[in-house]
Amino acid sequence: EVQLVESGGGFVQPGGSLRLSCAASGFSISNYVMNWVRQAPGKGLEWVSGISASGSSTYYADSLKGRFFISRDNSKNTLYLQMNSLRAEDTALYYCAKITSYSSGCYWGQGTLVTVSS
Amino acid sequence: DIQMTQSPSSLSASVGDRVTITCRASQVISNYLAWYQQKAGKVPKLLIYGASTLQSGVPSRFSGSGSGTDFTLTISSLQPEDVATYYCQKYNSAPLTFGPGTKVDIK
Repeated sequence: EVQLVESGGGFVQPGGSLRLSCAASGFSISNYVMNWVRQAPGKGLEWVSGISASGSSTYYADSLKGRFFISRDNSKNTLYLQMNSLRAEDTALYYCAKITSYSSGCYWGQGTLVTVSS
Repeated sequence: DIQMTQSPSSLSASVGDRVTITCRASQVISNYLAWYQQKAGKVPKLLIYGASTLQSGVPSRFSGSGSGTDFTLTISSLQPEDVATYYCQKYNSAPLTFGPGTKVDIK
């Protein structure tokens, strides 16, 4: 069974940092582009960042460039998101997802909640 | 960057009605368009990819069409379990933008 399990969310003050992890099982992430998607409370889906299968290319939403950094460890089958200089508007449920190459499957985690507040 | 718009933003229809949701890309994205269904408190569920390919296990009352910049999601006969918010998503290249969503409920 394919699973994506996010962790690392929590409560943080504005300006703080968090590192999210996404552990995959049931498939190898090394073959696929992986992404982070977030959803603020009561709002729509917002793509945050993506990383190529090898990790050599990374992509970010324009609003996040310079604050968030995506990485992966294919040997651990794990995806990461380092989030710095957090703001109240970063409060959201953060999903790890395989949302390209759909013919080979579409997988989402259950999400990890990040709350930024003083 | 390519912008994705959806219309309407919300709709209310009766059980058995035919429902159509439109998604428009600000530039050509070929058929790299997916549709998701998200029920309250749940993880988004893929309905359609490649603009018109039904994901395995999705009821056949859902269908997608379009190419280029204009796309449509159709529910041929609305069911109570279809109450949800529907999102389109472009995936030809980063950023993998989602549309703002269309909230569907039962009249």
